[in-house]
Amino acid sequence: EAGVAQSPRYKIIEKRQSVAFWCNPISGHATLYWYQQILGQGPKLLIQFQNNGVVDDSQLPKDRFSAERLKGVDSTLKIQPAKLEDSAVYLCASSPQGPELFFGEGSRLTVL
Amino acid sequence: GDSVTQMEGPVTLSEEAFLTINCTYTATGYPSLFWYVQYPGEGLQLLLKATKADDKGSNKGFEATYRKETTSFHLEKGSVQVSDSAVYFCALSGQSSARQLTFGSGTQLTVLP
Repeated sequence: EAGVAQSPRYKIIEKRQSVAFWCNPISGHATLYWYQQILGQGPKLLIQFQNNGVVDDSQLPKDRFSAERLKGVDSTLKIQPAKLEDSAVYLCASSPQGPELFFGEGSRLTVL
Repeated sequence: GDSVTQMEGPVTLSEEAFLTINCTYTATGYPSLFWYVQYPGEGLQLLLKATKADDKGSNKGFEATYRKETTSFHLEKGSVQVSDSAVYFCALSGQSSARQLTFGSGTQLTVLP
């Protein structure tokens, strides 16, 4: 079974630039999550989708972050404009049901 | 809200030593508890879980027991190997959190040969 796919693995941008991350969840998984993991900290939930609807985006900084899940499958997370404090690993995870999550390898963002 | 407090690292052990990583939680009701592991350059993987009080999760020689009375879920292994070097995260999924995970800050484990 293919795992959660994410791209790009690494991205370096300057502050005020924009960036987008892509996630393809495990086939059949209805729930998709984006987490932000800052160095030395645990992952923090940004947004949760159920199929193509948003379940929880209360911790998403909506002035600069946006996310969508078209057709209830792939998802993109966008940051515009980026700030220095957005440097982190962005983790995508999916789940068929229940609280067990399956994570991708993450996309590491460095903002200079 | 829900929260997880993990033993701070880093932890450095010699091969075959005994490992304990402490984890305590705050949550209403009866959360499910998890340990995830992140090997260098890889994504987080579920190591073990427990869904009700007194349950013991186990996998790859690691164990953790869900202790409701002490709100704890400590990770233990009797004899660590170099290949166990990784970052370990304790996490919970609360009854009111819509199947989300709340993570601790992680504990870096290094096992020396």
